[in-house]
Amino acid sequence: KAGVTQTPRYLIKTRGQQVTLSCSPISGHRSVSWYQQTPGQGLQFLFEYFSETQRNKGNFPGRFSGRQFSNSRSEMNVSTLELGDSALYLCASSLAGATGELFFGEGSRLTVL
Amino acid sequence: AQSVTQPDIHITVSEGASLELRCNYSYGATPYLFWYVQSPGQGLQLLLKYFSGDTLVQGIKGFEAEFKRSQSSFNLRKPSVHWSDAAEYFCAVGPRYSTLTFGKGTMLLVSP
Repeated sequence: KAGVTQTPRYLIKTRGQQVTLSCSPISGHRSVSWYQQTPGQGLQFLFEYFSETQRNKGNFPGRFSGRQFSNSRSEMNVSTLELGDSALYLCASSLAGATGELFFGEGSRLTVL
Repeated sequence: AQSVTQPDIHITVSEGASLELRCNYSYGATPYLFWYVQSPGQGLQLLLKYFSGDTLVQGIKGFEAEFKRSQSSFNLRKPSVHWSDAAEYFCAVGPRYSTLTFGKGTMLLVSP
């Protein structure tokens, strides 16, 4: 059974650009969550999607957005990139939303120059 | 607001020795508590979880954790550490799996 797949694994952008990260959950998982991991702030919850609907959102500015497709794949977008957006972005999927164990992907490492 | 404190940033343990990683949490209701492990370049893997019931929970890889409500703690333990346990360990609390608040992590180093 394939795990959670995140693409791209590494990317470099410059300030002001935008970026889209993709997450393919484990087959059958309908919930996808996104977390940002930085050395200073640690792991912070971004948002959660379930059946194409955003169920929860963390305390991030509106530049951070996401969506989920009918096949449960999810994308997150960061517009007008800032240096502080450099981070590892982790996606996690679960089988049954609130009651399912989170399975994490290996992350997308974004560097903003 | 909920929060998690992992007071030890780094811990070094000799292989074969016992391990205890500390975790203190702040949460208004009965918490869901978790321990995750992250190896370099990897995502997070769930070691164990506590929702209710027996306050001593067993996890994978020989780990266990004890929930102590009076101390707001959920410490992770292992009786004998193996070199492969070297990784970063995260304690987390939440109302449920998908909206977790994580601690800053404890990096475990294992010496031969």
